[in-house]
Amino acid sequence: EPEVTQTPSHQVTQMGQEVILRCVPISNHLYFYWYRQILGQKVEFLVSFYNNEISEKSEIFDDQFSVERPDGSNFTLKIRSTKLEDSAMYFCASKEASTSGNTIYFGEGSWLTVV
Amino acid sequence: AQSVTQLGSHVSVSEGALVLLRCNYSSSVPPYLFWYVQYPNQGLQLLLKYTSAATLVKGINGFEAEFKKSETSFHLTKPSAHMSDAAEYFCAVSDRGGTSYGKLTFGQGTILTVHP
Repeated sequence: EPEVTQTPSHQVTQMGQEVILRCVPISNHLYFYWYRQILGQKVEFLVSFYNNEISEKSEIFDDQFSVERPDGSNFTLKIRSTKLEDSAMYFCASKEASTSGNTIYFGEGSWLTVV
Repeated sequence: AQSVTQLGSHVSVSEGALVLLRCNYSSSVPPYLFWYVQYPNQGLQLLLKYTSAATLVKGINGFEAEFKKSETSFHLTKPSAHMSDAAEYFCAVSDRGGTSYGKLTFGQGTILTVHP
């Protein structure tokens, strides 16, 4: 079964450092997403991406965050200068099309620990 | 704005017993509703979804959920729990149409423990 893959599975970084989380969505999918889950809290929407641009973003997704689809397969989330509160599990997700009923597939997540 | 409330952060059942995980939603438009499961050290896996067809939705692993508009609920059930059902379960809502489909709003999650 096709799956969304994410790397790294776990990263520890120092506060203020840049981090890039990588995702390979399912190959025929058109919509891409990042969500995050701070330990003990809800899974929260960060951003959606379609046709090489951001289609929607949440209040969490401030100027420190950016997304990119640098080639035909990867979808990345960059955090420019990490803060302690960025420590969370980050989930990438993808979806085939905008018509109703399409399932959103999630990756296994990337644990980010900022120290 | 949409929201999801999952009643009970922890539910414990005996193997073979009924599983009932509660989810109530709030949405200004007819919603799409989902249940996801997260096993330890794994990602979010879709269990089932409601997208305006039958109100009783059957999913994987013997789970089902019923959409009740009058109660704004989408509770998840399984007649007989199995040890392998132990996981965290998330209810989520999405409004319909356009690119907002995919902007899921999740509940807090319910950890299901199954005792032998």
